Amino acid sequence: NAGVTQTPKFRILKIGQSMTLQCTQDMNHNYMYWYRQDPGMGLKLIYYSVGAGITDKGEVPNGYNVSRSTTEDFPLRLELAAPSQTSVYFCASSYSSTSGSYEQYFGPGTRLTVT
Amino acid sequence: KNQVEQSPQSLIILEGKNCTLQCNYTVSPFSNLRWYKQDTGRGPVSLTIMTFSENTKSNGRYTATLDADTKQSSLHITASQLSDSASYICVVSEGSQGNLIFGKGTKLSVKP
Repeated sequence: NAGVTQTPKFRILKIGQSMTLQCTQDMNHNYMYWYRQDPGMGLKLIYYSVGAGITDKGEVPNGYNVSRSTTEDFPLRLELAAPSQTSVYFCASSYSSTSGSYEQYFGPGTRLTVT
Repeated sequence: KNQVEQSPQSLIILEGKNCTLQCNYTVSPFSNLRWYKQDTGRGPVSLTIMTFSENTKSNGRYTATLDADTKQSSLHITASQLSDSASYICVVSEGSQGNLIFGKGTKLSVKP
């Protein structure tokens, strides 16, 4: 099993450009998440999904969009990149809600710089 | 406000020594508490998950404790190794939705 994979590993964007961060998991997990990690700060939830076709906002959703057409894939879209979106982005998945003792598995991250 | 505070921010120890990392939280309602290890440039990896009724949980040389009354947790690392150098993140799951509140982490450096 590859677990949670993310592409690309690194990306530099100019202000106003758009891009999609890809995330795929092969563990047949229902729940998937997108987080951002800013230097010296805790991870913040951007969006999450409890199953194919269902997505919901997290703590910091502004400037991002997501879709979940399959169980495996959960892409994150940045439409108009801004310097404030410079961060490391992590995708994660879990079998069920983290209110239960379900492990959450993280991908290796995408380091995004917007200049 | 739901918060998770970790101390110290950073710590340097010699290889073979023990250390204890602290986590205080004000998350309510409480579902569970997790400790993650995050190597530089990698995603977090789960070490332990503890529910309200669990006081202690071990994973190899890592032992986590939880005092739900005082809302404190600790992570004890025994006989540290160079590979233990990483950030250790305390995370509390809140409510029925399981929203995860992340601490900022403690950066541990183990020196030879």
